[in-house]
Amino acid sequence: GAVVSQHPSWVICKSGTSVKIECRSLDFQATTMFWYRQFPKQSLMLMATSNEGSKATYEQGVEKDKFLINHASLTLSTLTVTSAHPEDSSFYICSASQGHGEQFFGPGTRLTVL
Amino acid sequence: AQKVTQAQTEISVVEKEDVTLDCVYETRDTTYYLFWYKQPPSGELVFLIRRNSFDEQNEISGRYSWNFQKSTSSFNFTITASQVVDSAVYFCALSEVGTNAGKSTFGDGTTLTVKP
Repeated sequence: GAVVSQHPSWVICKSGTSVKIECRSLDFQATTMFWYRQFPKQSLMLMATSNEGSKATYEQGVEKDKFLINHASLTLSTLTVTSAHPEDSSFYICSASQGHGEQFFGPGTRLTVL
Repeated sequence: AQKVTQAQTEISVVEKEDVTLDCVYETRDTTYYLFWYKQPPSGELVFLIRRNSFDEQNEISGRYSWNFQKSTSSFNFTITASQVVDSAVYFCALSEVGTNAGKSTFGDGTTLTVKP
């Protein structure tokens, strides 16, 4: 199956700093990438949908100025958590789709903000 | 709006027992995809199955089987002869097609614990 990578796999940062998470589709071109957030013992919640070359579409309640998404190419999307705070600590998972209803998930990035 | 309900929050069984995880969904779309994923403690989502809305044929893969019934909007997952390694959180998800292709709604997950 298609492979999606995320980097870093985990990150610890101080409150107030910004953190960038990369999502790459390694063996296919992804027309759309999705960013999900998962709090401990909870489900995955969609944060935003990202199409290459256009602005991301954010779900209701997700601050676009807080979570900056850039989809610069058909194989790379980045999520930047700006001015991170402890409440942003979570598991962030990206997925990539070729547009046929199937999506391939990355391994996730665990963010801890001290 | 899409909705996926996994009514069973936690299930505990003893090894070798069969277990069924329920999934009920709501959608106004006539075309969609349904998925099951396994999430072990490491956190990475493991794809188990994809079924499109026009394919109601049940599927068996080793100890896993899935029962898709469109009439009741259910897509249940059965593990036969469960093993300790099956312990994980299992998510059912519904994925859109068309302009929002790939956009998924997840259920809350069912935590399965298989005891030796």
